[in-house]
Amino acid sequence: DVKVTQSSRYLVKRTGEKVFLECVQDMDHENMFWYRQDPGLGLRLIYFSYDVKMKEKGDIPEGYSVSREKKERFSLILESASTNQTSMYLCASSPLGTSGEDEQYFGPGTRLTVT
Amino acid sequence: RKEVEQDPGPFNVPEGATVAFNCTYSNSASQSFFWYRQDCRKEPKLLMSVYSSGNEDGRFTAQLNRASQYISLLIRDSKLSDSATYLCVVNKPNFGNEKLTFGTGTRLTIIP
Repeated sequence: DVKVTQSSRYLVKRTGEKVFLECVQDMDHENMFWYRQDPGLGLRLIYFSYDVKMKEKGDIPEGYSVSREKKERFSLILESASTNQTSMYLCASSPLGTSGEDEQYFGPGTRLTVT
Repeated sequence: RKEVEQDPGPFNVPEGATVAFNCTYSNSASQSFFWYRQDCRKEPKLLMSVYSSGNEDGRFTAQLNRASQYISLLIRDSKLSDSATYLCVVNKPNFGNEKLTFGTGTRLTIIP
């Protein structure tokens, strides 16, 4: 069974803290994604990786960085958390397809609150 | 104009009824289209891809109208278990097929 796991379901951090969100997939997928989901705004892509050590900016990369040292693991880093980064963070993975039909598989999400 | 636009609802529909959602997209160069389903407090999951000729999966029918740049989802004989938020998803052209734009979702509640 396809599996994407995220390190925490709920996280509370203080403004200015460095925050690490971890995502692991066991499907040997090349592509991995980080999104945030906010009411009224939907899912927005933060960063995307198509291979180890490769990354691309999504629509809202400001204030975030990512790391992909191993194929199965993709980390999202908030260098200095701010209250406007309070959100639901969703990780996803997909195979490297050429047809555009490939499903993205999502993890259960991490609800981050920055106080 | 938003890249992908959906009526947020909520749609409250009696069990057994037929319900349809539309979604419009702004970039005519988009090539891949999907409907995802998201249950309350859960992650999104692929419901179905949308093909140019239209496609059906059981009680679900998806249609694509490229000329008008809209996608539709029809649910027949609705069940209580169909209650969820339905996300319209379109690929970002010129960024490969992997990058997707998600609509904000249409909330559906099936009433017994």
